[in-house]
Amino acid sequence: GAVVSQHPSWVICKSGTSVKIECRSLDFQATTMFWYRQFPKQSLMLMATSNEGSKATYEQGVEKDKFLINHASLTLSTLTVTSAHPEDSSFYICSAPQTGRASGYTFGSGTRLTVV
Amino acid sequence: GDSVTQMEGPVTLSEEAFLTINCTYTATGYPSLFWYVQYPGEGLQLLLKATKADDKGSNKGFEATYRKETTSFHLEKGSVQVSDSAVYFCALSVANTGNQFYFGTGTSLTVIP
Repeated sequence: GAVVSQHPSWVICKSGTSVKIECRSLDFQATTMFWYRQFPKQSLMLMATSNEGSKATYEQGVEKDKFLINHASLTLSTLTVTSAHPEDSSFYICSAPQTGRASGYTFGSGTRLTVV
Repeated sequence: GDSVTQMEGPVTLSEEAFLTINCTYTATGYPSLFWYVQYPGEGLQLLLKATKADDKGSNKGFEATYRKETTSFHLEKGSVQVSDSAVYFCALSVANTGNQFYFGTGTSLTVIP
């Protein structure tokens, strides 16, 4: 079945550095990628939607200059957390629709980011 | 706005026990409802879904019924196994929001032999 490969699974970085998270669709073309994050004991929250070849759409309250999203090709979308701070520590996960139906979504395995 | 409220965990059960994880929702439109499962080290996987009132989704022995009158979609399984240990997320999606998902906080289930 359709697979989204997300890397890295976990990362620890120092404050002020940048971290890139990649999501690759392995056997299908992902024209759209959703990026979510989850703070401890909270829901997965949609951060932004990336579309191949165009600018990402960010949800209210998400800083687009801090969370850089690039959808360079039909199989790769990246999220870069720039100048990371401890409050950015969270679980980030991507998701791509397959057929456009509500149930046809594939999720990556998630990235646990810890900023120290 | 649209939201999902899910029973908090963690939940620990003995093998063959009955499982219920409560989920209620608030939606402005007509949502589709889902249960996703995340096994250790893996991504979220669709467990079951229901797209309209009174629909029952089922998979791997799990069931959930779309109850519009109580705005609920509780997950149940009659006899859990150790392999069911995972985190379970209730979610909804409304077509007129571009199929954006709204997730519950997740419920961690541990089944002990």
